[in-house]
Amino acid sequence: EPEVTQTPSHQVTQMGQEVILRCVPISNHLYFYWYRQILGQKVEFLVSFYNNEISEKSEIFDDQFSVERPDGSNFTLKIRSTKLEDSAMYFCASRENPGTGYGYTFGSGTRLTVV
Amino acid sequence: AQSVAQPEDQVNVAEGNPLTVKCTYSVSGNPYLFWYVQYPNRGLQFLLKYITGDNLVKGSYGFEAEFNKSQTSFHLKKPSALVSDSALYFCAVSSLSSGSARQLTFGSGTQLTVLP
Repeated sequence: EPEVTQTPSHQVTQMGQEVILRCVPISNHLYFYWYRQILGQKVEFLVSFYNNEISEKSEIFDDQFSVERPDGSNFTLKIRSTKLEDSAMYFCASRENPGTGYGYTFGSGTRLTVV
Repeated sequence: AQSVAQPEDQVNVAEGNPLTVKCTYSVSGNPYLFWYVQYPNRGLQFLLKYITGDNLVKGSYGFEAEFNKSQTSFHLKKPSALVSDSALYFCAVSSLSSGSARQLTFGSGTQLTVLP
């Protein structure tokens, strides 16, 4: 069964450093997402990406965050200057059809720890 | 705006007994409803979804959920719980009003513990 692959599984970074989280969505999927889950809390939507541009973003997704799909396969989330409160599990997801509400597949997540 | 409520942070059930994990939602328009399970230090694993059609939806590992439009609920059920079902369960909703991206809104999660 096709999978969404995320790397690394765990990243530790110093406050103020830039991090890039990487995702390889399912190849025929058209919508890509990043969600995050702060430890012990709910999963929160960050951003969606379609047709090589951001289609929706939440209040969490401020100027410190950016996404891109540099080569047609990878989908990355960049945090420019990490803060302690960015420590969370970050999930990538992709979806196959923009006209329907189903078909989401999530990756296994990247646990980001900012120290 | 859409929202999901999981009123129970924790559900305990004895192995072999039926289990129910509750979920209610609020959306504009028709909902798309999902259940995901998360094992410790793992990602979100899809269990089942309701898009349209029969109100009773069957999913993975013997789980099922019943869509109740009048009560705006989508409770997760299993007739006979297993110890291996112990995990964190998330209900999520999407709809046509979510925006073109149809992003999911998650509930706060319910920790299910099945006691041997």
